[in-house]
Amino acid sequence: ELKVEQNPLFLSMQEGKNYTIYCNYSTTSDRLYWYRQDPGKSLESLFVLLSNGAVKQEGRLMASLDTKARLSTLHITAAVHDLSATYFCAGETSGSRLTFGEGTQLTVNP
Amino acid sequence: DTAVSQTPKYLVTQMGNDKSIKCEQNLGHDTMYWYKQDSKKFLKIMFSYNNKELIINETVPNRFSPKSPDKAHLNLHINSLELGDSAVYFCASSPPGTGNQYFGAGTRLSVL
Repeated sequence: ELKVEQNPLFLSMQEGKNYTIYCNYSTTSDRLYWYRQDPGKSLESLFVLLSNGAVKQEGRLMASLDTKARLSTLHITAAVHDLSATYFCAGETSGSRLTFGEGTQLTVNP
Repeated sequence: DTAVSQTPKYLVTQMGNDKSIKCEQNLGHDTMYWYKQDSKKFLKIMFSYNNKELIINETVPNRFSPKSPDKAHLNLHINSLELGDSAVYFCASSPPGTGNQYFGAGTRLSVL
């Protein structure tokens, strides 16, 4: 059974700073996803990482995947307040089943 | 146009009641899901249907029964509601061969 762990679970950072959220998973996963959830809102897909060494970037967010280490990272560059949200990683196994991490609640302070 | 729509958005009800949540997707996806998000924001899959066929059925009380009349709809019926059922329930769908899921806005269920 796939287990997904994120850290940190809570992150408070200043605008303009960089930080990384880590996502470890326990067994082979077909794909790795990152989602964003704003308070009281739905989940929005950010990145799909398909293979070892995959790197994807969108604005100030960059996601990477190391399948050998069973690790994905979400790197935030020069954070802005608008990035405040909860970020989830999820691993995919057979049947398109997603197992989600606990989520990282990010607060970017002005 | 909303891709995955759930109704109602909010549901407040008494313990012991029976309630339903409806979900519809207009993306042409074959697979639909129900998730429960608890107060700590933990998301756990409950059910998944592929083209009206149940493919994932997690350890969920029998009081929860999904129904998929066609591949665009997946409804969730809950009998004899309990306090612990209070949560946000999300519907999602995905295209064939991928778990890249599109989520509805969620239904916040409060059982009093």
